[in-house]
Amino acid sequence: NAGVTQTPKFQVLKTGQSMTLQCAQDMNHNSMYWYRQDPGMGLRLIYYSASEGTTDKGEVPNGYNVSRLNKREFSLRLESAAPSQTSVYFCASSPRHISGNSPLHFGNGTRLTVT
Amino acid sequence: AQSVTQLGSHVSVSEGALVLLRCNYSSSVPPYLFWYVQYPNQGLQLLLKYTSAATLVKGINGFEAEFKKSETSFHLTKPSAHMSDAAEYFCAVSVAYDGSGNTGKLIFGQGTTLQVKP
Repeated sequence: NAGVTQTPKFQVLKTGQSMTLQCAQDMNHNSMYWYRQDPGMGLRLIYYSASEGTTDKGEVPNGYNVSRLNKREFSLRLESAAPSQTSVYFCASSPRHISGNSPLHFGNGTRLTVT
Repeated sequence: AQSVTQLGSHVSVSEGALVLLRCNYSSSVPPYLFWYVQYPNQGLQLLLKYTSAATLVKGINGFEAEFKKSETSFHLTKPSAHMSDAAEYFCAVSVAYDGSGNTGKLIFGQGTTLQVKP
């Protein structure tokens, strides 16, 4: 079982460059999420998609955009990368968002460095 | 809004000793509480969750946590640490509905790194 797959695993960008982080899940989950992980700050929600066709902002959405391409795929785009966006990015999915008690299934992360 | 505070960013125990990782939460409505574990260079895995059934929750790998409403706590314990328990542990909270747009959002604590000494 693949679960949640993220690509790429590692990426180095120069300030101002753009890139898209890809995420796909094969569990037929309705909800998908993007988090960033920074030392001492835990995981912070960037954007989420409660169901196919909807997206909403999380705690730290500035500088990012998302696309829920279909039920399986949820991409995160950095239009103009900044050093402050150096982080580890995790995609996650869950069966349902609205109930609040569905655990998240995480991918293995994308380690992004912006120089 | 909900929040989570994990007391202690690093905890060190000897192999075979009790593991206690502390988590306190804040929520205006009844919460759902989770513990996740992250091994190096991997994503997070669910250890256990509290969803308003039994207050003592048993998870994988011998871990358990007790929901104490009066103390707003959800501490994680394991009677005897194993070397393979060395990892980072995250406590998280979500709610079904709180009237302020936080429905379903999972809010994480800062994480606690567990070191197990031989």
